[in-house]
Amino acid sequence: SSELTQDPAVSVALGQTVRITCQGDSLRSYYANWYQQKPGQAPVLVTYGKNNRPSGIPDRFSGSSSGNTASLTITGAQAEDEADYYCNSRDSSDNYVIFGGGTKLTVL
Amino acid sequence: QVQLQQSGPGLVKPSQTLSLTCAISGDSVSSNRAAWNWIRQSPSRGLEWLGRTYYRSKWYNEYAESVKGRVTMKSDTSKNHFSLQLNSVTPEDTAIYYCARDPNLDYWGQGTLVTVSS
Repeated sequence: SSELTQDPAVSVALGQTVRITCQGDSLRSYYANWYQQKPGQAPVLVTYGKNNRPSGIPDRFSGSSSGNTASLTITGAQAEDEADYYCNSRDSSDNYVIFGGGTKLTVL
Repeated sequence: QVQLQQSGPGLVKPSQTLSLTCAISGDSVSSNRAAWNWIRQSPSRGLEWLGRTYYRSKWYNEYAESVKGRVTMKSDTSKNHFSLQLNSVTPEDTAIYYCARDPNLDYWGQGTLVTVSS
C-alpha cells in the first residue's frame, strides 16, 4: 500500500498532552518519521525511527508505533508547537517515500 | 552543520522544463551514507516525494511513479550540488519544491515556489 492517513486537525489545551496518529500498511514494516511545518517554512524533522529526536528538538516530542499506526506525542504542548505535522515512511514495496496528508495542530 | 541552498527560476512556461539546483554545505553529494531528495508541496497534492539520487560505489536514481519519464536528477561532485529537471510541465506542477537529505530527510532546503504559467 502507498498511503498514510492522518486526521486533518487536532487541538490541545496549553500544557496538556496530545497524540497525532498516522495509519498505513507500510508502517507494519517501516518506522515513521515526523515533521513539523510552520507557515512559510520548510518542514523540520522532529522524530525518526523507533523513537529518536534530532539534536535541538525538545524532549516533549516522542514517537511510537504499534501495528499499522505510528504516533507522535507532545507531552506538555506549548504555544510554539502550533503547526502542521506530517508523517512519512517508505511504501510497502520499499521503492518510494510516502507522506501523510498532514495534521493541523491548534494549541488552545 | 548541513545546509542546503536552492536556486532556480520561480516561473516556468507550460511545456517547458523546470530546473532547480540544491547546493550542499557540510556534507558531500557523493557521501556513501546520504541520499539527496526532491520533494514538492502544493495544496492539492500535499507533500509529494519526487525522487532521490545517491552514491554507493556508483550513482543511483529513484523516481516517483507520478513523474517518472519526465524527471531527471543529477549530481555534480565538482560543485557539490544536485539538480532536478522536470520536463513538459503543466500548471499541475505548480508547487513549492524542496531538496532534502536522507537519512530521514533530516535537512531541507529553503524551498522554491515554482509557478507554471504563460
